[in-house]
Amino acid sequence: DGGITQSPKYLFRKEGQNVTLSCEQNLNHDAMYWYRQDPGQGLRLIYYSQIVNDFQKGDIAEGYSVSREKKESFPLTVTSAQKNPTAFYLCASSIGGFGELFFGEGSRLTVL
Amino acid sequence: AQTVTQSQPEMSVQEAETVTLSCTYDTSENNYYLFWYKQPPSRQMILVIRQEAYKQQNATENRFSVNFQKAAKSFSLKISDSQLGDTAMYFCAFMKPLPMNRDDKIIFGKGTRLHILP
Repeated sequence: DGGITQSPKYLFRKEGQNVTLSCEQNLNHDAMYWYRQDPGQGLRLIYYSQIVNDFQKGDIAEGYSVSREKKESFPLTVTSAQKNPTAFYLCASSIGGFGELFFGEGSRLTVL
Repeated sequence: AQTVTQSQPEMSVQEAETVTLSCTYDTSENNYYLFWYKQPPSRQMILVIRQEAYKQQNATENRFSVNFQKAAKSFSLKISDSQLGDTAMYFCAFMKPLPMNRDDKIIFGKGTRLHILP
């Protein structure tokens, strides 16, 4: 079945460590996105990529980095520069840039 | 810039009742898309319904329907005969049609947490 796979589902990290969240899709979608979800804040866009080897910052890109070397993959690195990284992270994809979004199940990151 | 506002942070209704979730938006665009997404406690977000602004007819998907008032910039979601499985967070979203400029984005509201009570 086609879909988006995020891993890991739960991740714990010590302060000062970088961590990478994986996002893979087999929907043959061109565009992929990372959102951060906090209680009462809705979804905030971190980064998005409309094509391989190209990506743009969203509203809250500071302290995060991404790469898009393959169409299927869009990993997100939460760096030690991110001041408040504990959150739920959602990856999504769409056929074209910002068409209807298909979401993964999410990754919950907790910084200890 | 576009904005999306969901004025009801949380709602509760009894099973089998009808419930309406509110969404208003602000835009100077004439053509756009509106969406309602559902995020159940299992967390995977799924699309519930979409509406094209150029269509006057309100979209429906089984028990889910919208009341789209373009002039008022209102896009409410009605859930009829609510079921326990409808318990979820619901997000309203706005999008300009493709192709979009580099800086265009889907705009999400902050969500409404809906509880269906047995």
